[in-house]
Amino acid sequence: DTAVSQTPKYLVTQMGNDKSIKCEQNLGHDTMYWYKQDSKKFLKIMFSYNNKELIINETVPNRFSPKSPDKAHLNLHINSLELGDSAVYFCASSHGSRNEQFFGPGTRLTVL
Amino acid sequence: GENVEQHPSTLSVQEGDSAVIKCTYSDSASNYFPWYKQELGKGPQLIIDIRSNVGEKKDQRIAVTLNKTAKHFSLHITETQPEDSAVYFCAASNSGGGADGLTFGKGTHLIIQP
Repeated sequence: DTAVSQTPKYLVTQMGNDKSIKCEQNLGHDTMYWYKQDSKKFLKIMFSYNNKELIINETVPNRFSPKSPDKAHLNLHINSLELGDSAVYFCASSHGSRNEQFFGPGTRLTVL
Repeated sequence: GENVEQHPSTLSVQEGDSAVIKCTYSDSASNYFPWYKQELGKGPQLIIDIRSNVGEKKDQRIAVTLNKTAKHFSLHITETQPEDSAVYFCAASNSGGGADGLTFGKGTHLIIQP
C-alpha cells in the first residue's frame, strides 16, 4: 500500500524517559512534517523538513528533535518526556512545492 | 504568523440535508486552503482543497468556496450521509516554496442525524 506509516501506534512511558516515533512514506515525497494533536483535537505543526531546510515551530521545546536518515523517513525523538507531551503525533508528507499533505495514522503518546 | 478560525465547533444536521463549515484566515499571503476529514482513531484525510486563483471547486457532494478579499473560505456538503459524520478541519498555508506546514482551524464535529 502506498501510504504514510508510523510506529508505534500507541506509546506509554514514564516521565523523564527518552522515546522515538518512526515515520515512513513510500509516496516518493520529498517533504515531511510532524504535527501534534492535543486533547482538544487541535492540530499544530511542529516541524517541516525537506532536503534543503528544517523549519521548526518556535513553540516546540528543544527536547523534540526530528531526524531524517533518508528522504522516505522522518523520525521524532523526544528527550526527558513530560506529562504535557501526552498527545497524538501525526507524520505527514508532500511532494515538492505542491501543498497536498498526506497524513499517517498517528501515534498516541501517554506520559505517566 | 497565520491564524485560522473555524465555525461552528459542532454541527448537527439531518441526513440528506446540507452542512456548511466556515473558516477565516489572517495572512493575506496564504494561497492554499485544504479541508481534512478525521474519523475516530485515524489520521486526517484530505477531502478537497482550493488555491487562491480559484473561487470555487466542487467534487461530487463536496464543494469549497474562497473569498480572498474577505479572507474566508467554506466547505459545503450536500445530501449528507451517516458516513459523513467526523471532525472536519480547515487549514491554510503559503505555497511560496520551502517546507511550509499547514495552520489548522480548531475543527468542526459534524454529526449526521438519521
